[in-house]
Amino acid sequence: QSALTQPASVSGSPGQSITISCTGTSSDVGAYNYVSWYQQHPGKAPKLMIYDVSSRPSGVSNRFSGSKSGNTASLAISGLQAEDEADYYCSSYTSSSTYVFGTGTKVTVL
Amino acid sequence: EVQLVESGGGLVKPGGSLRLSCAASGFTFSDYVINWVRQAPGKGLEWVSSISSLGRYIYYADSVKGRFTISRDNAKNSLYLQMKSLRGEDTAVYYCARGDNRDYWGQGTLVTVSS
Repeated sequence: QSALTQPASVSGSPGQSITISCTGTSSDVGAYNYVSWYQQHPGKAPKLMIYDVSSRPSGVSNRFSGSKSGNTASLAISGLQAEDEADYYCSSYTSSSTYVFGTGTKVTVL
Repeated sequence: EVQLVESGGGLVKPGGSLRLSCAASGFTFSDYVINWVRQAPGKGLEWVSSISSLGRYIYYADSVKGRFTISRDNAKNSLYLQMKSLRGEDTAVYYCARGDNRDYWGQGTLVTVSS
């Protein structure tokens, strides 16, 4: 159950777009369309931003979008805002009927 | 309003035991898979365990298998995590989270394993 690989940090200026990658294997990300993304502000509980690769829960801004190609999933944030500064984690269902999280990415708004 | 409230965390010595609880409200508890997810201080999220809606299917991370036991009482809208043989690396904030997508999370309860 190795963690999915994410870049440690990504940054962008207000209004710009950024993308966070999440690389797994053919036993997790590549095998199922059960990738989700979470936003976590310091000292707070995680918040679901994307589920099932590209679906957005109600109330989540359409500036957030998800996609997948092979063993790599991606979270895109467009029109970057100060409030988007947070840690982001991906997660995937696995062939062992378990879940695995990514290593986490710190998003900085310059 | 969906609410998940964890309790039971605290300081415990290595090798000790602790039982966490998660009280749910605002939704039909018995309709959902519930998960435990933990986060060590300054570290990332780690999925710990999940239990199906009626408790029939249970899964654990390798790191806790054989030491932790997840259970639920649908009549009391409550989830539990019995932890034994605790180690320093189990020190973390433990969250309960609803559903396969983990769409709602509690505020977490801190477990510290230290002598």
